[in-house]
Amino acid sequence: IVLTQSPGTLSLSPGERATLSCRASQIVSSNYLAWYQQKPGQAPRLLIYGASSRATGIPGRFNGGGSGTDFTLTISRLEPEDFAVYYCQQYGNSYTFGQGTKLEMK
Amino acid sequence: QLQLQESGPGLVKPSETLSLTCTVSGDSISSSNYYWGWIRQPPGKGLEWIGSFYYSGNTYYNPSLRSRVTISVDTSKNQFSLNLNSVTAADTAIHYCVRHPGTGRIDGFEIWGRGTMVTVSS
Repeated sequence: IVLTQSPGTLSLSPGERATLSCRASQIVSSNYLAWYQQKPGQAPRLLIYGASSRATGIPGRFNGGGSGTDFTLTISRLEPEDFAVYYCQQYGNSYTFGQGTKLEMK
Repeated sequence: QLQLQESGPGLVKPSETLSLTCTVSGDSISSSNYYWGWIRQPPGKGLEWIGSFYYSGNTYYNPSLRSRVTISVDTSKNQFSLNLNSVTAADTAIHYCVRHPGTGRIDGFEIWGRGTMVTVSS
């Protein structure tokens, strides 16, 4: 399954709302889709699994949604530490990642 | 506290074998209900799953790498290893070892090592 993320880069200011998209080339089985955050020089961190469940310790401003082939990650009010690269990943049929969306500070 | 630590050569020659080890502390590979695996990331690029295994079950590989990859385990040292043969410059990447549930809805890559950079060059 190929995952396509959009936009490639998103420029926003702290306090704004961010919406990131992930589209799959075929239906993601059981909505087995995860989101990760990666900051420079660090390993990725799991944010969301099962399309909409937050991982342990993830703040409530991170919300995942969608089903089938279209998924979104929404960050309700951006904090300075949220500016990073975000990846979606499906685990319904092997494991594949999207190419990433860079969230940069305007 | 669970920690994963990758180790191995930072430089490998083309056509040779890339070998890395992941040392696990805070959990036991042989008695854990989790899968253990490897993910790589070329410089400035995205993530690619290499393969995963369950100690008392199967090992699964990325179809695109299956012919060149072997993941093995040493329970006496609580370590698992990655071997990737016939490497080229395209295999240059940061390599991460990971732990994940392996099945069901919660199967995200929840624990990551810090990663180790491997460069393929003569």
